[in-house]
Amino acid sequence: DAEITQSPRHKITETGRQVTLACHQTWNHNNMFWYRQDLGHGLRLIHYSYGVQDTNKGEVSDGYSVSRSNTEDLPLTLESAASSQTSVYFCASSGPNRMDEQFFGPGTRLTVL
Amino acid sequence: AQSVTQPDIHITVSEGASLELRCNYSYGATPYLFWYVQSPGQGLQLLLKYFSGDTLVQGIKGFEAEFKRSQSSFNLRKPSVHWSDAAEYFCAVVNTGNQFYFGTGTSLTVIP
Repeated sequence: DAEITQSPRHKITETGRQVTLACHQTWNHNNMFWYRQDLGHGLRLIHYSYGVQDTNKGEVSDGYSVSRSNTEDLPLTLESAASSQTSVYFCASSGPNRMDEQFFGPGTRLTVL
Repeated sequence: AQSVTQPDIHITVSEGASLELRCNYSYGATPYLFWYVQSPGQGLQLLLKYFSGDTLVQGIKGFEAEFKRSQSSFNLRKPSVHWSDAAEYFCAVVNTGNQFYFGTGTSLTVIP
């Protein structure tokens, strides 16, 4: 069965370190998305990609970057982790049509000390 | 600009009782609307979606939602709640760029 996976599931890091969260999907979807989930804010879009070599900024992109070198993977990098980036991060992918649902990974809980 | 409001942060219902979770959206054109459910420690799972046609949409796990354009609402309902329905529920609207805008969620507690 097709799936979307994230690693690691839990990560503790220190302020100022670079952190990369992995996202891998086997749906063969061109569209991929990264969200963060915080109490009182729901899910907010960080970055998204419509295909290889395409990346776009979302609502809360400051301090984050992504790269898309193949269809399956969209890693999210925190260039210099800050305590405000402590959150749960979700990756999602979807088909090409607006009516297509987004399929979500299980999430990565990141703590920045 | 598009947005979604879920007015109820937390709802508690008794098992077997009916449920309605409210969702109001703001979108300039025809909205494409989704309801997702998130169990503790899990990712989001699609319950149902609406983009055209019959305004009453059936989903999985016995849920349904009704689209009301005049009220800019897409409320989620279930006639009889089960203890396993305890979870966080998110409403979302998607724009023409396939970007989802989620509400802040409603947490459901089910009392035995």
